[in-house]
Amino acid sequence: GQQLNQSPQSMFIQEGEDVSMNCTSSSIFNTWLWYKQDPGEGPVLLIALYKAGELTSNGRLTAQFGITRKDSFLNISASIPSDVGIYFCAGQLVFGQGTRLTINP
Amino acid sequence: DGGITQSPKYLFRKEGQNVTLSCEQNLNHDAMYWYRQDPGQGLRLIYYSQIVNDFQKGDIAEGYSVSREKKESFPLTVTSAQKNPTAFYLCASERAGNQPQHFGDGTRLSIL
Repeated sequence: GQQLNQSPQSMFIQEGEDVSMNCTSSSIFNTWLWYKQDPGEGPVLLIALYKAGELTSNGRLTAQFGITRKDSFLNISASIPSDVGIYFCAGQLVFGQGTRLTINP
Repeated sequence: DGGITQSPKYLFRKEGQNVTLSCEQNLNHDAMYWYRQDPGQGLRLIYYSQIVNDFQKGDIAEGYSVSREKKESFPLTVTSAQKNPTAFYLCASERAGNQPQHFGDGTRLSIL
């Protein structure tokens, strides 16, 4: 079946640093979604991408839908403590393994 | 407020017992989904339903069953055939195909 490979698996950064994570697939996706999950809660949508090459921002978050439709990245600028959590990329019913973000104050 | 409600938050199952996890949405979404999440892993699809009285198996349907008698409700039963049921279960709904999913806050199932 389709799989999404998300990297890195975990990140340990200092508050204020920028963050970058990405997702790749051997299959083409028509939609790329980025979610954030806090401990003990369900994922919450951050950014949705629907067109190849699309670059979308949501506050300090920026995500792009790769031109080949097989990859996407998510950047977070000037990280703050509430950015801590697990970030998932997703295509049609398929989720990446997640990137766990830890921030040292 | 519109949203998805999962209950209970925590559930314990005895050996050989079936348990049912509740998922209700008032978003008027047609599609509903059940995922399983294990520690350090992503979400794996158990079952999904795109319309009332119809549902399809996902990647890991064995040992689980669902029903979709009402648009608002999509309960998941973890049967005794599921030998490793300990996990975090997430329900989601979606307005139409390829739209972002809205998730509930999950049910954590453990074995007694």
